[in-house]
Amino acid sequence: DAGVIQSPRHEVTEMGQEVTLRCKPISGHNSLFWYRQTMMRGLELLIYFNNNVPIDDSGMPEDRFSAKMPNASFSTLKIQPSEPRDSAVYFCASSFYRPVSGANVLTFGAGSRLTVL
Amino acid sequence: AQTVTQSQPEMSVQEAETVTLSCTYDTSESDYYLFWYKQPPSRQMILVIRQEAYKQQNATENRFSVNFQKAAKSFSLKISDSQLGDAAMYFCAYRSQGGSQGNLIFGKGTKLSVKP
Repeated sequence: DAGVIQSPRHEVTEMGQEVTLRCKPISGHNSLFWYRQTMMRGLELLIYFNNNVPIDDSGMPEDRFSAKMPNASFSTLKIQPSEPRDSAVYFCASSFYRPVSGANVLTFGAGSRLTVL
Repeated sequence: AQTVTQSQPEMSVQEAETVTLSCTYDTSESDYYLFWYKQPPSRQMILVIRQEAYKQQNATENRFSVNFQKAAKSFSLKISDSQLGDAAMYFCAYRSQGGSQGNLIFGKGTKLSVKP
């Protein structure tokens, strides 16, 4: 298994530009999570999906952020327009959730480091 | 809302010795899961160990073990026979047993250095 695959690993862009981060979850996993990591705030959940449906997007900072999961094998996190304060590492994670036995473990991708100048 | 606190921003240990990383959490739930994740310089988040709150027995994975004190809401990680490869950020995380479908709440992390 290739694990959770994220792209790009690094992205440097200028303020105002659109940024799209991509994630391919582990095959068979039915839950997908987007986290953001900064020095100040640590790891924060932005949004998560179950069976491709967004369940909780309360962590999305503002309308400039949007996430989609068009199918079980692909998700995107888009920032438009980007700002310097969006600079962070963005992690995607996936898991297989079973309602009866909820001990699902999140497997993380390697993260995408975003720098907005 | 649940919170996770790691009170040690940095820790250091001599190679081959034992170190304990602290974690406390706050919750009103009785069923939940606790995790320790390791993040080396490569940034990859790696699961180290997990504990189900309903289990009294402390989880163990090779050189890694936990001291789970449910009443005290404490979940410390002990690393025995520390190795240079153990140097990393360590994050304690909490997850509810049901409903939220797996959202992890993380502590701020402890940076562990291993001295040769």
